Amino acid sequence: GENVEQHPSTLSVQEGDSAVIKCTYSDSASNYFPWYKQELGKRPQLIIDIRSNVGEKKDQRIAVTLNKTAKHFSLHITETQPEDSAVYFCAASINGNQFYFGTGTSLTVIP
Amino acid sequence: DAGVIQSPRHEVTEMGQEVTLRCKPISGHNSLFWYRQTMMRGLELLIYFNNNVPIDDSGMPEDRFSAKMPNASFSTLKIQPSEPRDSAVYFCASRPRTGREGAGGPVYNEQFFGPGTRLTVL
Repeated sequence: GENVEQHPSTLSVQEGDSAVIKCTYSDSASNYFPWYKQELGKRPQLIIDIRSNVGEKKDQRIAVTLNKTAKHFSLHITETQPEDSAVYFCAASINGNQFYFGTGTSLTVIP
Repeated sequence: DAGVIQSPRHEVTEMGQEVTLRCKPISGHNSLFWYRQTMMRGLELLIYFNNNVPIDDSGMPEDRFSAKMPNASFSTLKIQPSEPRDSAVYFCASRPRTGREGAGGPVYNEQFFGPGTRLTVL
């Protein structure tokens, strides 16, 4: 089955700096890669996703890149703010069905 | 819409007892997912249903776990008998039918997570 690895497990950045979280996947059939943000004690919520037919997608301060050849994808958050502090999960999916999640990255933005 | 509804929100039980977790998906959604979240193993997909039919239950850890979806508006996840290692937060998520986006291929719609059930087995 699919194996998704995520790094780093924890990340601290100064407010205003950028944060990058990286994930790798093993199944070349995976074609959909969502990213979720989970605040403490709350449910995961989708923040951005990318399909395998594009290499990059951007939504304001958040961007995701995908390298199908290397089987890795990354989340980039620019101009970080304290409210960006949360746990971020990447996931890989085949056709939007089974979702295999990474182990999460705890991001702390220091004011 | 109230979103995905899960009950109970918290459950504390003793080892050996039966536990039933409940989920009401968002009306009109045709896929439902059950996940388990722990510090050690992260977020794991247990089972998912399409149109009330279980499609993949390979994530269900043992025979002690079972899930049903008798209709489009209700699903249960049952653990019998429960064990301390089952302690976790259990999330249910639902998703609308995958759509088509012109020549760009199918749209894999967002999963909407419920608030979760925090289960503690003593």
